[in-house]
Amino acid sequence: DGGITQSPKYLFRKEGQNVTLSCEQNLNHDAMYWYRQDPGQGLRLIYYSQIVNDFQKGDIAEGYSVSREKKESFPLTVTSAQKNPTAFYLCASGGSGYPGGKNIQYFGAGTRLSVL
Amino acid sequence: AQTVTQSQPEMSVQEAETVTLSCTYDTSESNYYLFWYKQPPSRQMILVIRQEAYKQQNATENRFSVNFQKAAKSFSLKISDSQLGDTAMYFCAFIGQGAQKLVFGQGTRLTINP
Repeated sequence: DGGITQSPKYLFRKEGQNVTLSCEQNLNHDAMYWYRQDPGQGLRLIYYSQIVNDFQKGDIAEGYSVSREKKESFPLTVTSAQKNPTAFYLCASGGSGYPGGKNIQYFGAGTRLSVL
Repeated sequence: AQTVTQSQPEMSVQEAETVTLSCTYDTSESNYYLFWYKQPPSRQMILVIRQEAYKQQNATENRFSVNFQKAAKSFSLKISDSQLGDTAMYFCAFIGQGAQKLVFGQGTRLTINP
């Protein structure tokens, strides 16, 4: 099935630990995104990548890092510098196959990160 | 900077009723796209409907339709014959022409009661 797979579904982080959230897509999309969702708030963009080996900071990039070594994969690392990491993290991808351009983003099922 | 505002934090209607969710946005661009996403309790974000700003005709997808008022910068979602499965958070979102960044509103929690 085509889609976006995020893993794990639940993740726990210890104090001072870096953790990595996985995002894989088989939609052949060029662009991939990471969003953070906090209770009662909309989604905020952490990082995005429009092409392999290139990525840009979003609105809340501090304490996070990403890589884009393959078109299909866009892992997000939550570093120890992120002091309030507890949130729901959503990965999305967007392609150019839809008439009208690249502007539709499809989402994975998300990862809930909690601090122990 | 673009902003998206959803003024109704929560709404509740009876099954089979029609409900309208409000969204306003602010932008200086003339070409852009607007979206409604649904987030059910499973937390998966699902695209409900999209509207391209240069198209005057309002988009429809089965029971879902929008009322797009470009001059007023308003983009409301109407759900007809509401069903229990429509219970979810609904997010309005904006993206400029050629841009990559979606701007989301804060969401409206919609509950459909039996």
